[in-house]
Amino acid sequence: NAGVTQTPKFRVLKTGQSMTLLCAQDMNHEYMYWYRQDPGMGLRLIHYSVGEGTTAKGEVPDGYNVSRLKKQNFLLGLESAAPSQTSVYFCASRFNANEQYFGPGTRLTVT
Amino acid sequence: RKEVEQDPGPFNVPEGATVAFNCTYSNSASQSFFWYRQDCRKEPKLLMSVYSSGNEDGRFTAQLNRASQYISLLIRDSKLSDSATYLCVVILYNQGGKLIFGQGTELSVKP
Repeated sequence: NAGVTQTPKFRVLKTGQSMTLLCAQDMNHEYMYWYRQDPGMGLRLIHYSVGEGTTAKGEVPDGYNVSRLKKQNFLLGLESAAPSQTSVYFCASRFNANEQYFGPGTRLTVT
Repeated sequence: RKEVEQDPGPFNVPEGATVAFNCTYSNSASQSFFWYRQDCRKEPKLLMSVYSSGNEDGRFTAQLNRASQYISLLIRDSKLSDSATYLCVVILYNQGGKLIFGQGTELSVKP
């Protein structure tokens, strides 16, 4: 049981490049989330999903897209990366009202 | 006004001290509450849920005041290993189970 995994762990992009971050969970959780964490800002919700095939916007969705084609995977896409998207990205999943489990994070730098 | 607000600290306390953190939330529809702990550059992990009647787990006590819309965390007999950032989390079930994080309160316990 791997819990929540994120791929990649580190990435450096040039402005304008695109990439996809993959989050996978093997706990059969319905809810999945993408956050970004910046110094002094705490965790901010980008997008989330309440089940396979559904997605919804969080606090800071601009510049990102997501997909949840399979229950166990939640993908976060950056179509045209900007330096303002330099951050640590955390994925999380949970089952109903229970604990939210986080992945180890992806450290993204956009130059 | 942020939906969930915490005093960012840092709180610098000696070993053995008692320290309390508060968190206020603005959405009265908030229904579930948690405290998470985050160590430097790692993913957040659940410390404890917060129940209306208050709950205790060893040296940690969490309380909820729905009328005043705040949550508290009390740590007794602080240990060096308690040094971390403590995050207050609120679930908004009327918004599809969205989780909102406070920006975190940093605690540093010194020998």
